[in-house]
Amino acid sequence: DQQVKQNSPSLSVQEGRISILNCDYTNSMFDYFLWYKKYPAEGPTFLISISSIKDKNEDGRFTVFLNKSAKHLSLHIVPSQPGDSAVYFCAATDNTGGFKTIFGAGTRLFVKA
Amino acid sequence: DTAVSQTPKYLVTQMGNDKSIKCEQNLGHDTMYWYKQDSKKFLKIMFSYNNKELIINETVPNRFSPKSPDKAHLNLHINSLELGDSAVYFCASSLGQGAVNYGYTFGSGTRLTVV
Repeated sequence: DQQVKQNSPSLSVQEGRISILNCDYTNSMFDYFLWYKKYPAEGPTFLISISSIKDKNEDGRFTVFLNKSAKHLSLHIVPSQPGDSAVYFCAATDNTGGFKTIFGAGTRLFVKA
Repeated sequence: DTAVSQTPKYLVTQMGNDKSIKCEQNLGHDTMYWYKQDSKKFLKIMFSYNNKELIINETVPNRFSPKSPDKAHLNLHINSLELGDSAVYFCASSLGQGAVNYGYTFGSGTRLTVV
């Protein structure tokens, strides 16, 4: 039972353009949503989070949008850079469920120079 | 200065053996975790400790036993290894149980291969 779904296994974008990574979830009790970035042979690195009471959070080139009614969030990277090429994991936390963080399967982003 | 360090990075062992993976964090975090990344690349929570106390214990075979001697260390011991235990195991830490908006700091992973 996948509570956090990233339906696109990969995405290819030209350098300088916008990258949009999508994530859907099923559990309406999730309190926080997070994005992580992972390079090969490394652990995931925390990027940005958003509370369920907000609809947008921005940090530099990274913006996360949350649409609670659609149970959908997205990560926008503008402008995309070759160094952004990595696997991006969407994650969600249910504080009433023992603070468990549930991860999606990841989307591999390729940014072409 | 590695924030969350796991050893070993690679572990190849035969079925039936017992092995341990060690994890240490120097961030002063209160909460530590073990996650398993399976062949389908999902990261699944296994255990979580807060100040040496077990707070999350997912449906994991009891061949897996975590040990937290202090809040900076969370080790994972696996008995009677099976082929299906082959995966990458990630240790992580966070400020505290409720500090979820700050995210976790992950180690670089231990790739376990059972032959």
